[in-house]
Amino acid sequence: AQSVAQPEDQVNVAEGNPLTVKCTYSVSGNPYLFWYVQYPNRGLQFLLKYITGDNLVKGSYGFEAEFNKSQTSFHLKKPSALVSDSALYFCAVHKAAGNKLTFGGGTRVLVKP
Amino acid sequence: GAGVSQSPRYKVAKRGQDVALRCDPISGHVSLFWYQQALGQGPEFLTYFQNEAQLDKSGLPSDRFFAERPEGSVSTLKIQRTQQEDSAVYLCASSSQGNTEAFFGQGTRLTVV
Repeated sequence: AQSVAQPEDQVNVAEGNPLTVKCTYSVSGNPYLFWYVQYPNRGLQFLLKYITGDNLVKGSYGFEAEFNKSQTSFHLKKPSALVSDSALYFCAVHKAAGNKLTFGGGTRVLVKP
Repeated sequence: GAGVSQSPRYKVAKRGQDVALRCDPISGHVSLFWYQQALGQGPEFLTYFQNEAQLDKSGLPSDRFFAERPEGSVSTLKIQRTQQEDSAVYLCASSSQGNTEAFFGQGTRLTVV
């Protein structure tokens, strides 16, 4: 079985400050890890993925994530948050030989001006 | 089209009514997925197609749920005798062959009254 945990329901940050959204996972074998963002009444938008290679992955809108195998974590980061980053963020995983994604429960990010 | 298209965007059904939700994947995408997203939760896997073959339907919650993709392109998720617990957003996603990211549609919000 595979699972994802996002320990924070909500993260509040001031505009211009660094943003971190935490994610830990459990999967047999090598993981394929993803971050998606969801704006109100919209579908999920892909931000970035880790498949293999460099542990630091850069994605859309200035976001990046670091894969840490020993801690089974894949935290999402942005050096300087914008008010427009306020949204719901989902971490997801599937095993290397699989396809179906298992999502975390989501973390709501609120960036205040 | 440029993205995954789902219709209708909103559907209100009376309890016991049958509904059909449509998904138009990105042209040429081999893989198609259906997910169910309850309010305030992360999406949960329902079923997966590779071309016209339904390879995994382990997430379908009951035999009232049925999905098809007869020509390997458009897919329909059908729910028979809807119940209130079926109220959710139903997301469709597609991806190209290989382990790449899935692209999501905007979803169909189903409300059973």
